[in-house]
Amino acid sequence: AQTVTQSQPEMSVQEAETVTLSCTYDTSESDYYLFWYKQPPSRQMILVIRQEAYKQQNATENRFSVNFQKAAKSFSLKISDSQLGDAAMYFCAYRSFGAGSYQLTFGKGTKLSVIP
Amino acid sequence: DTGVSQDPRHKITKRGQNVTFRCDPISEHNRLYWYRQTLGQGPEFLTYFQNEAQLEKSRLLSDRFSAERPKGSFSTLEIQRTEQGDSAMYLCASSSRLDTEDTEAFFGQGTRLTVV
Repeated sequence: AQTVTQSQPEMSVQEAETVTLSCTYDTSESDYYLFWYKQPPSRQMILVIRQEAYKQQNATENRFSVNFQKAAKSFSLKISDSQLGDAAMYFCAYRSFGAGSYQLTFGKGTKLSVIP
Repeated sequence: DTGVSQDPRHKITKRGQNVTFRCDPISEHNRLYWYRQTLGQGPEFLTYFQNEAQLEKSRLLSDRFSAERPKGSFSTLEIQRTEQGDSAMYLCASSSRLDTEDTEAFFGQGTRLTVV
């Protein structure tokens, strides 16, 4: 079974600064997907960024980028130019690549606070 | 279509009562998932439907839990003889397949269940 570990229960960042959230995972599979989801207080979870394990290039989405280290099974999220609206719980998630395996395995989350 | 819709948003029930939650996925999505999220934890997978067929069930889904997706549209999750340990946020998500790629999972806002 796959496991996802987020070792930082809480993080804080000054507005306009950069912050990196850590995620490690354990799997015996060679192909899979990794995700970062954002869950604002009392609002629905939304996808921030997605990485396919077979792609060597790190995914980027505007101010969000990842550092994917497949050998180390590490998948960190970097948020640049942090904004007040970035304050939320951030969950790292894993999904198998094979057909029929669509469930997500989540970490426990990191609560990000943005200081004005 | 405004996304995944869940009803009710909040439910307070007495221990031993039955409760039913409803999820309306994004209309063109054929895959539907239920997750449970307790305080301080990431979401945990409960069950998955492809169209009307329930294809995966987690060990977390005890025999007091039942889920249906008649006609492959909306889904219901029923919990019988509720226990205090059932108190959690119940999340629904949906996804689909476009060409050769699976779309991301889109989440609803969840139903928060409190068993007193």
